[in-house]
Amino acid sequence: NAGVTQTPKFQVLKTGQSMTLQCAQDMNHNSMYWYRQDPGMGLRLIYYSASEGTTDKGEVPNGYNVSRLNKREFSLRLESAAPSQTSVYFCASSEVRRDTQYFGPGTRLTVL
Amino acid sequence: DQQVKQNSPSLSVQEGRISILNCDYTNSMFDYFLWYKKYPAEGPTFLISISSIKDKNEDGRFTVFLNKSAKHLSLHIVPSQPGDSAVYFCAASPYGNKLVFGAGTILRVKS
Repeated sequence: NAGVTQTPKFQVLKTGQSMTLQCAQDMNHNSMYWYRQDPGMGLRLIYYSASEGTTDKGEVPNGYNVSRLNKREFSLRLESAAPSQTSVYFCASSEVRRDTQYFGPGTRLTVL
Repeated sequence: DQQVKQNSPSLSVQEGRISILNCDYTNSMFDYFLWYKKYPAEGPTFLISISSIKDKNEDGRFTVFLNKSAKHLSLHIVPSQPGDSAVYFCAASPYGNKLVFGAGTILRVKS
């Protein structure tokens, strides 16, 4: 049981490049989330998916898109990366929307 | 506008003593509260939660207290151990909705 897995662990991009962060969970959870963590800001919700086939904006969605590929996988895409998107990105999942959330190990992204 | 505030960026405690981490919230619709712990280079892990119908919840060395009138909750760790050194996040949720996290408090337990 791997829980929540994220790839890649580290990534460096140049301004304007695109990339997709991958997330998968093997707990059969309905809800999945993408957060970013910045110093002094805590965890801020980017997008979430309450159930397979649905996605909704969180607190800081600008510059990002998501895809809930199936019940297990939820990807986050940066179409044109900007230095302001330098952050640590966490994926999480839960049985229901506000239940205990289980987090992946994070992706540290640097945009130059 | 931060709805969940952890006003102490860091806290240092001697091993064996009590650690008290505080959290304030502004949204009176919040009725479910959680604490998460995070070690460096890892994702946050769930620690303990409390519903607004309670004012206290215990789990081993960890106790969460909720004061609804003051919109304040606290996490007590007794006794503190060096392995408790981590970042602690407070989170809150209105009924049926997603979680809102505080900025975190770095706890250092000195041996």
